[in-house]
Amino acid sequence: AAGVIQSPRHLIKEKRETATLKCYPIPRHDTVYWYQQGPGQDPQFLISFYEKMQSDKGSIPDRFSAQQFSDYHSELNMSSLELGDSALYFCATGGRITDTQYFGPGTRLTVL
Amino acid sequence: GIQVEQSPPDLILQEGANSTLRCNFSDSVNNLQWFHQNPWGQLINLFYIPSGTKQNGRLSATTVATERYSLLYISSSQTTDSGVYFCAVGTNAGKSTFGDGTTLTVKP
Repeated sequence: AAGVIQSPRHLIKEKRETATLKCYPIPRHDTVYWYQQGPGQDPQFLISFYEKMQSDKGSIPDRFSAQQFSDYHSELNMSSLELGDSALYFCATGGRITDTQYFGPGTRLTVL
Repeated sequence: GIQVEQSPPDLILQEGANSTLRCNFSDSVNNLQWFHQNPWGQLINLFYIPSGTKQNGRLSATTVATERYSLLYISSSQTTDSGVYFCAVGTNAGKSTFGDGTTLTVKP
């Protein structure tokens, strides 16, 4: 069965650079959630989209922005990267057809 | 927002032992999932269980929604069961709130 796809899987950036993380949902899933998991922490909700509109917002820094496109994939844009942004970033998808959230494999971002 | 508490925070077992992990949550939910995070960081979905009982091999889970808790049972533990187990809850197909996790170490 198709799963959630995230790219890239690993990313290394320097401080103050920008990064773009991509998420491709399972077919027919119309909702995307982004989570950030710092070292030794549990995943924290950042932002979500339903039918290409922002549906909820969590502890997402102003330096980050995200959007969902017409094909339902989503991108998380991160600017002015800081050392503390080093984390695992998960995308999860779901929607009206399921209450379960399906998590992608994550993108491991390292900021040097 | 919803508070999620997991216990114990750490658990060390000998291979072959059984264990019970607990997740308490502070409000009514319609989405509860148990995950195993492997050493590579991947979140492996174990159960979607907002209520009732489910079993999958050596693992089973029970959620008592009216009392706002869920239990994950691991029987005949193996070294490959080691890792962090997360409980995540949500409402109305919204965001998930994770507990702090239980770190399980199974020794050979």
